[in-house]
Amino acid sequence: GAGVSQSPSNKVTEKGKDVELRCDPISGHTALYWYRQSLGQGLEFLIYFQGNSAPDKSGLPSDRFSAERTGGSVSTLTIQRTQQEDSAVYLCASGATSGNIQYFGAGTRLSVL
Amino acid sequence: GEDVEQSLFLSVREGDSSVINCTYTDSSSTYLYWYKQEPGAGLQLLTYIFSNMDMKQDQRLTVLLNKKDKHLSLRIADTQTGDSAIYFCAESPTGRRALTFGSGTRLQVQP
Repeated sequence: GAGVSQSPSNKVTEKGKDVELRCDPISGHTALYWYRQSLGQGLEFLIYFQGNSAPDKSGLPSDRFSAERTGGSVSTLTIQRTQQEDSAVYLCASGATSGNIQYFGAGTRLSVL
Repeated sequence: GEDVEQSLFLSVREGDSSVINCTYTDSSSTYLYWYKQEPGAGLQLLTYIFSNMDMKQDQRLTVLLNKKDKHLSLRIADTQTGDSAIYFCAESPTGRRALTFGSGTRLQVQP
């Protein structure tokens, strides 16, 4: 597709369940980012992938959060044992190798009941 | 300060100019950005400016950068109702690829 694609667009889950959020970056973009947008915290960086380098995980809030990027393209963000405070919009962005121009997807709105 | 700061709200009349201001933190940021977010949507990159520039103009949008004061502004000429949205300022801090965002300015355009 032409832009960053995220799925699902909405996810409702029960506290304690695991969830997986998917991101398809713009074709050819080597950099991929996950951010979280919540009412109390604004926009927070979670994790960054660049090509085959080790990811920058410095923004992950706890060990319940993990992400992988297979084949240098699609990425999955996994939240284990979800808590109510995980409710937020999870945004994915991608960018080219040079420069730092990030293009965002529409996000996944996660609601933990 | 430690945060990228923006005013929370701006209201203008249709046809007027809007100016949204931002103060950022890292004087060495390579790029500074403006993103637009409409209700229920993701972030749309509006424009960005490289740190060696003072001004960038793109159709109705003008970005001004004052590196001495670490101040960034976005001017929207002839503001339309479709410009109603939240506008986020962001910086690219030295040594990091992750962007640091302000809390966003809600622009309300009144007919």
